[in-house]
Amino acid sequence: KTQVEQSPQSLVVRQGENCVLQCNYSVTPDNHLRWFKQDTGKGLVSLTVLVDQKDKTSNGRYSATLDKDAKHSTLHITATLLDDTATYICVVGDRGSALGRLHFGAGTQLIVIP
Amino acid sequence: DMKVTQMPRYLIKRMGENVLLECGQDMSHETMYWYRQDPGLGLQLIYISYDVDSNSEGDIPKGYRVSRKKREHFSLILDSAKTNQTSVYFCASSRGSDYTFGSGTRLLVI
Repeated sequence: KTQVEQSPQSLVVRQGENCVLQCNYSVTPDNHLRWFKQDTGKGLVSLTVLVDQKDKTSNGRYSATLDKDAKHSTLHITATLLDDTATYICVVGDRGSALGRLHFGAGTQLIVIP
Repeated sequence: DMKVTQMPRYLIKRMGENVLLECGQDMSHETMYWYRQDPGLGLQLIYISYDVDSNSEGDIPKGYRVSRKKREHFSLILDSAKTNQTSVYFCASSRGSDYTFGSGTRLLVI
């Protein structure tokens, strides 16, 4: 059973618009949650990591929230650029050490059009 | 620049052939991983290595084996490749909750 669900599956926005990606999970325990960006044919690049029970992070045009009570995270991208076209993957780590496992969502495919 | 390097980037093999995927990292991370990524699915863990010669099966180890003789190198081996092993394979290394992924190897088994 999938323990990390991402929505929407795909999303098309116009350059300059904002968008919000959702991640719901059932992983227990949930030590941390990380958002990755994956360009087509490339590896995963970390955007941000959230750790606290109710956490917020900001990294340029990317901002993210985590609510561990609701087991829910959002990734906000403001003023999208064409280079934001990619798959965004939500990953939940059940521990903060190598003994833990990472649980991957299937990703949200974001397409930014001119 | 700290990184995980995977070789080759692309590979085509015939069913039944042996396959060797190589991964290297320059961060002295103890833990390394092999995942596969298939369309519509999240990355699935094949094997995890905690250090040299300290390897454990992941969630989908069948049909694969690994080798880690040096901390900086972690190899994935497919003995007698099958068509359902066509996938994109990612290597990663970690320390704590800090993960670095390679760019992937696209394997086609025909």
